[in-house]
Amino acid sequence: EAGVTQFPSHSVIEKGQTVTLRCDPISGHDNLYWYRRVMGKEIKFLLHFVKESKQDESGMPNNRFLAERTGGTYSTLKVQPAELEDSGVYFCASSQDGVRRETQYFGPGTRLLVL
Amino acid sequence: AQSVTQLGSHVSVSEGALVLLRCNYSSSVPPYLFWYVQYPNQGLQLLLKYTTGATLVKGINGFEAEFKKSETSFHLTKPSAHMSDAAEYFCAVSDQWGAQKLVFGQGTRLTINP
Repeated sequence: EAGVTQFPSHSVIEKGQTVTLRCDPISGHDNLYWYRRVMGKEIKFLLHFVKESKQDESGMPNNRFLAERTGGTYSTLKVQPAELEDSGVYFCASSQDGVRRETQYFGPGTRLLVL
Repeated sequence: AQSVTQLGSHVSVSEGALVLLRCNYSSSVPPYLFWYVQYPNQGLQLLLKYTTGATLVKGINGFEAEFKKSETSFHLTKPSAHMSDAAEYFCAVSDQWGAQKLVFGQGTRLTINP
């Protein structure tokens, strides 16, 4: 069974540019989460999808971040325009629904550097 | 609101020595508790979790953790460290009753000395 995959693995962009991160969850997982780790800080929750619906987006830092999950499969996280403080590692995770929903499986992360 | 504190951002032990990584949590509702590990250039891997039932939880690679409600702790231990245990370890908490988001501690980087 394939794990959670994320693309790209690394991205270097200039301030003001746009970047789109992609996450493919484990097949059949209805729950998809985005997290971010800014250098030197803890991993922080951004948002949670159940299928294609946003269940919780309380962690989204501002309106420069837009997450979508069309069709309830893969998800994209767009940052537009990127700022220096957006640099960090963006993790995606997925989990089943039902009794095992608490266990989240993480992808390898996308390392974003904004110059 | 939930929070997690990991005592010590860096821990160094000798190969074969006991590994003890400390985690204290705060939660107003019954928690689920997790330890994740991140090896260099890899994603987060689940080591073990506590949901309900037995408070001593065994995980992969010889690690275990004990949920102590009275102390609001979930410390991670391994009797004998291996060089391959060098990694960053994260303690996390989520809410049994509702929100599934994980709240993480700051992480502890474990170094193993030969």
